[in-house]
Amino acid sequence: QVQLVQSGAEVKKPGASVKVSCKASGYTFTGYYMHWVRQAPGQGLEWMGRINPNSGGTNYAQKFQGRVTMTRDTSISTAYMELSRLRSDDTAVYYCARGTAVFHLGPIDYWGQGTLVTVSS
Amino acid sequence: EIVLTQSPGTLSLSPGERATLSCRASQSVSSSYLAWYQQKPGQAPRLLIYGASSRATGIPDRFSGSGSGTDFTLTISRLEPEDFAVYYCQQYGSSATFGQGTKVEIK
Repeated sequence: QVQLVQSGAEVKKPGASVKVSCKASGYTFTGYYMHWVRQAPGQGLEWMGRINPNSGGTNYAQKFQGRVTMTRDTSISTAYMELSRLRSDDTAVYYCARGTAVFHLGPIDYWGQGTLVTVSS
Repeated sequence: EIVLTQSPGTLSLSPGERATLSCRASQSVSSSYLAWYQQKPGQAPRLLIYGASSRATGIPDRFSGSGSGTDFTLTISRLEPEDFAVYYCQQYGSSATFGQGTKVEIK
């Protein structure tokens, strides 16, 4: 069965960076887009971007351009999301989520458990 | 970037009633690349509808989606107790964006 297991909660100071990992299992990692979505406390879902694990190609939401980097390590079926220059309003649960087969447009069908990132001085 | 606006913000209904949720896009969503998700407190979202009107695997037929272009609707024909949750629309035709959500609460 498809599983996405994320790294644990993080507490960071403003200005620092955070890197969240997402280990995939139960399917061919390089065959499906991996998205990153965040949710601030009590707020809605915010799409951050996606990575094609096969090519490493990325597509970031405008809001996060220049601050987010999505990478992957195909040898261990793991995707990463690094967010830099953290601010207090980056405090949120960050989800990795599997999309459709690469080169196809489609929704998200599997989600990780979420990683809480708290930014506080 | 395509902006999605959901209405109403909150829908107060009783079990057994019909729920109609709206999602309006700032520009046309190509090929009806529109999905709906359900989220309950403390849980990750769950895919309900994709392609504007196709139900995802295992989703009961009381959930239906319709619409095209810039106007889309999620209908829950008869609310069950487990349907009270927050619902989000998402377009995935041009990068991706989510609506701000509609909360369906018990009246």
